[in-house]
Amino acid sequence: NAGVTQTPKFQVLKTGQSMTLQCAQDMNHNSMYWYRQDPGMGLRLIYYSASEGTTDKGEVPNGYNVSRLNKREFSLRLESAAPSQTSVYFCASSEAYPTGNYGYTFGSGTRLTVV
Amino acid sequence: GNSVTQMEGPVTLSEEAFLTINCTYTATGYPSLFWYVQYPGEGLQLLLKATKADDKGSNKGFEATYRKETTSFHLEKGSVQVSDSAVYFCALSDHQGAQKLVFGQGTRLTINP
Repeated sequence: NAGVTQTPKFQVLKTGQSMTLQCAQDMNHNSMYWYRQDPGMGLRLIYYSASEGTTDKGEVPNGYNVSRLNKREFSLRLESAAPSQTSVYFCASSEAYPTGNYGYTFGSGTRLTVV
Repeated sequence: GNSVTQMEGPVTLSEEAFLTINCTYTATGYPSLFWYVQYPGEGLQLLLKATKADDKGSNKGFEATYRKETTSFHLEKGSVQVSDSAVYFCALSDHQGAQKLVFGQGTRLTINP
């Protein structure tokens, strides 16, 4: 019962480097999400994928790209990392409304530091 | 747009005290409301939910009632334990396909023995 698996758990990047955060879920959920968590600001939606083959911008998409590789996997890419992208990143999955009223399942997070 | 406002933290209580964490929301239509809990070093876990007005969500001794007239969803527990120490997030979702959640800023709760 893995749920939502994120890799890596920790990462340090230099400004300008690129990297991809990986996320996979084994619950057969249609919808997947990427959030960032910053102190005092709660969680903010970066991108989401309502179903396989679709992706949409959330509240804070600038500087990020995503790929919904298949129903299970949803990756987040930073093309040119900036210190402002230092954050904890969470992937989540759910079913769409109305069955999605059961809420999200979250991964354990990736702590990213950009120096 | 939709938004959620939680009471400022941190909140520090003694074991067995009564807990209230306030949450109010702004939304069009009739969203679903959630409380999530985050223990140190972990992801968020769903604590409880309510999908329509006057619904009461409950779990692990925590309760919250969906109050449409006051646009509130306050979290309560009658007797807190040290193990309840965590960050609590109030959230809402619209009913438009993907369940995009909008979160409050979180309230850090510390329970002292």
